[in-house]
Amino acid sequence: NAGVTQTPKFQVLKTGQSMTLQCAQDMNHEYMSWYRQDPGMGLRLIHYSVGAGITDQGEVPNGYNVSRSTTEDFPLRLLSAAPSQTSVYFCASRPTGDHEQYFGPGTRLTVT
Amino acid sequence: RKEVEQDPGPFNVPEGATVAFNCTYSNSASQSFFWYRQDCRKEPKLLMSVYSSGNEDGRFTAQLNRASQYISLLIRDSKLSDSATYLCVVTPPTGRRALTFGSGTRLQVQP
Repeated sequence: NAGVTQTPKFQVLKTGQSMTLQCAQDMNHEYMSWYRQDPGMGLRLIHYSVGAGITDQGEVPNGYNVSRSTTEDFPLRLLSAAPSQTSVYFCASRPTGDHEQYFGPGTRLTVT
Repeated sequence: RKEVEQDPGPFNVPEGATVAFNCTYSNSASQSFFWYRQDCRKEPKLLMSVYSSGNEDGRFTAQLNRASQYISLLIRDSKLSDSATYLCVVTPPTGRRALTFGSGTRLQVQP
């Protein structure tokens, strides 16, 4: 199993550009989440999904969209990038119930 | 008030020391609790789950105090390799099942 994969690993955007961060998992997990991590702020939940076709907002959803058309994929779309979205983005998945959550390696995004 | 609060540290301890971290959570109906470890610029990884009866894994001991709404992590005989950030994680009550992470406590073990 590849686990949770994220692409790209690094990305630089100009203000106003849009892009999609890709996330995929091959463990057949129901739950998938997107977090951003900023220095001294810990992990903040952006959006999450409890299964294909179901998504919900987290703590900091503004400026981001998600979709979950398959169990495996959970892309995060930045609609119009802003410097405040410079961060490290982690995708994670876990099975139903209170089990270990697995993280992808992260995408380091810089918006200039 | 944050849902999960941790002392950010850093905790600077010598090798061989015993160190303890606490984490408090605000929702008394929280269901499950975990400690994750995050190395610099890496993704978080599960260190251990925290059970009501307390649990131990080698040099690591986790405790849960539901009455006072805190969990703790004790590391005995610290190693240089224990240097990392330790994240407290709480599962909220049924309904919204995304995990909530504390901002982490940084540990630096020194030779």
